[in-house]
Amino acid sequence: EIVMTQSPATLSVSPGERATLSCRASQSVTSNLAWYQQKPGQAPRLLIYATSTRATGIPARFSGSGSGTEFTLTISSLQSEDSAVYYCLQYNNWPPWTFGHGTKVDIK
Amino acid sequence: QVQLVESGGGVVQPGGSLRLSCAASGFSFSSYAMHWVRQAPGQGLEWVAVVSFDGNQRYYPDSVKGRFTISRDNSKNKVYLQMYTLRVEDTAVYYCAKDSVNWYFDLWGRGTLVTVSS
Repeated sequence: EIVMTQSPATLSVSPGERATLSCRASQSVTSNLAWYQQKPGQAPRLLIYATSTRATGIPARFSGSGSGTEFTLTISSLQSEDSAVYYCLQYNNWPPWTFGHGTKVDIK
Repeated sequence: QVQLVESGGGVVQPGGSLRLSCAASGFSFSSYAMHWVRQAPGQGLEWVAVVSFDGNQRYYPDSVKGRFTISRDNSKNKVYLQMYTLRVEDTAVYYCAKDSVNWYFDLWGRGTLVTVSS
């Protein structure tokens, strides 16, 4: 089973600043990495798939990068509505599909 | 409208059973694999089951293997999760999720809460 590790656990960022979230895989997942955003009381929403492709309707301030075992989600200019928990998902080696434990992004 | 709507959650005693349903609409249901993913209170996401587009292949993590069964009815655009021998640690919101064809989840329902408690 591939273990996904996200850091930091919590990130506090001022509006308009950049937020950088990390996700590490215990072995290579090539580019088969997705990011999800989850707000309180809501279902997760797909942000990014294939490491760097934004899902339909996702603002350009969200971008993904990386390959192999190291991945990054960047929010270039944080907005108040971006306060949420962000999860990475590997879908290269399954079953099982495995998520990271999440990074909570707070607005300062 | 493209959506997934779960139902069937509730309170059940340890050792009990429960069947969850997920109704799909707005897309060609029979063309896609379907998943269940759960989230314990205050915790992260855990994948629970997948069924292939035609229902012929099913996979589970070790945590639920032998206790949960996923199935689908393409004539009704529904996917199910039959849960047996429920444990306290199965308490969670259970989400139905659509596979993208490329094996990530691109559409989620709002979830249904399952509480296992005596």
